Amino acid sequence: EAGVTQFPSHSVIEKGQTVTLRCDPISGHDNLYWYRRVMGKEIKFLLHFVKESKQDESGMPNNRFLAERTGGTYSTLKVQPAELEDSGVYFCASSRGVSGNTIYFGEGSWLTVV
Amino acid sequence: SQQGEEDPQALSIQEGENATMNCSYKTSINNLQWYRQNSGRGLVHLILIRSNEREKHSGRLRVTLDTSKKSSSLLITASRAADTASYFCATDRYNFNKFYFGSGTKLNVKP
Repeated sequence: EAGVTQFPSHSVIEKGQTVTLRCDPISGHDNLYWYRRVMGKEIKFLLHFVKESKQDESGMPNNRFLAERTGGTYSTLKVQPAELEDSGVYFCASSRGVSGNTIYFGEGSWLTVV
Repeated sequence: SQQGEEDPQALSIQEGENATMNCSYKTSINNLQWYRQNSGRGLVHLILIRSNEREKHSGRLRVTLDTSKKSSSLLITASRAADTASYFCATDRYNFNKFYFGSGTKLNVKP
């Protein structure tokens, strides 16, 4: 069974540019999550999809961030325009259900904004 | 904030020794999970302990949970160089996999 895959693994962009991160969850997992860890801070929840619907997007930092999961399969997280403080690692995770189900994290997309 | 705090922030031990990491949190939880992150890699799930459990074992791992003190500990016995990584606790308040992560303990196991 393939794990959660994320693309790109590393990205360096200039302030003001746009970056789109992609996450492919494990097949059959309805639940998809985005987390991020910016420099020197804790790993923080961004949002949770159940299939194509946003179940909880309370962690999205501001309206420069847009997450989508059209068709309930893969998800994208777009940052537009990117700021320096957006640098960090963005983790995607998926699970079959909630209620204490194990969630599986991807390797992360490491974003550097210069 | 429900964010957990790990203690110590960094731990360096010799191979074969035991490593103990502690995690404290602030609000009631439904479950607590421990994750490992090797340098530059993703998060790997280690163990889940529910709020009504006090202790769980998985191989060389032993996790305890004290809800009255709002704390948990992770013990790795007979450590190996391959255990070198950062370890995070994550609390789930409502069982929706919306985790609050601690700041992590960086473990270095010297061969």
